[in-house]
Amino acid sequence: EIVMTQSPATLSVSPGERVTLSCRASQNVRVNFAWYQQKPGQAPRLLIYGASTRATGIPARFSGSGSGTEFTLTINSLQSEDSAVYYCQQYSDWPLTFGGGAKVEIK
Amino acid sequence: EMQLVESGGGLVQPGGSLRLSCSVSGFTVNNNYLTWVRQAPGKGLEWVSVIYPGGNTYYADSVKGRFTISRDNSKNTVDLQMNILKAEDTAVYYCAKGLWNDYWGQGTLVTVSS
Repeated sequence: EIVMTQSPATLSVSPGERVTLSCRASQNVRVNFAWYQQKPGQAPRLLIYGASTRATGIPARFSGSGSGTEFTLTINSLQSEDSAVYYCQQYSDWPLTFGGGAKVEIK
Repeated sequence: EMQLVESGGGLVQPGGSLRLSCSVSGFTVNNNYLTWVRQAPGKGLEWVSVIYPGGNTYYADSVKGRFTISRDNSKNTVDLQMNILKAEDTAVYYCAKGLWNDYWGQGTLVTVSS
């Protein structure tokens, strides 16, 4: 099983600042990689797939990069509505696996 | 508009069975990957199962041999038959479209408890 490790687990950021979240895969997943955002009481929302392609309707301040085992989600100019838990996922090999999540709080 | 609506959750005793259903609109289940993902209370996301357009199915090790995913093309639904349920299966179960999940249902809560 491919283990996905996210860091940091929690961070507190002021509005307007840049946020960088990391995810490491225990094996090479190429670009078979996605990021999701989940707010309390809601289903997850796809942000990024293919490691760097924004999903439909996702604001341009969200960007993804990386390949292989190291991936990054960047949120430029953090907005208050970006307060959420962010999950990474690999869909390269079975079973598909998610990271443990990274909680972004607004200062 | 693409929509997924789960149903069938509830309270069940350990060792019992439950069948979840995901009703889909705006696309057809037989032409898409359909996935089940669950989330235990206060925990992260756990991938459970997927059914391919061609009918192949895959499962997480934690549910293999106990859960079965299937689809009904005529009803445009995807089901998850869950047997020999354990306390650790307690979670909100989401159905979602795709291998990378671009559309999600609202989830249905399954509670396994005596």
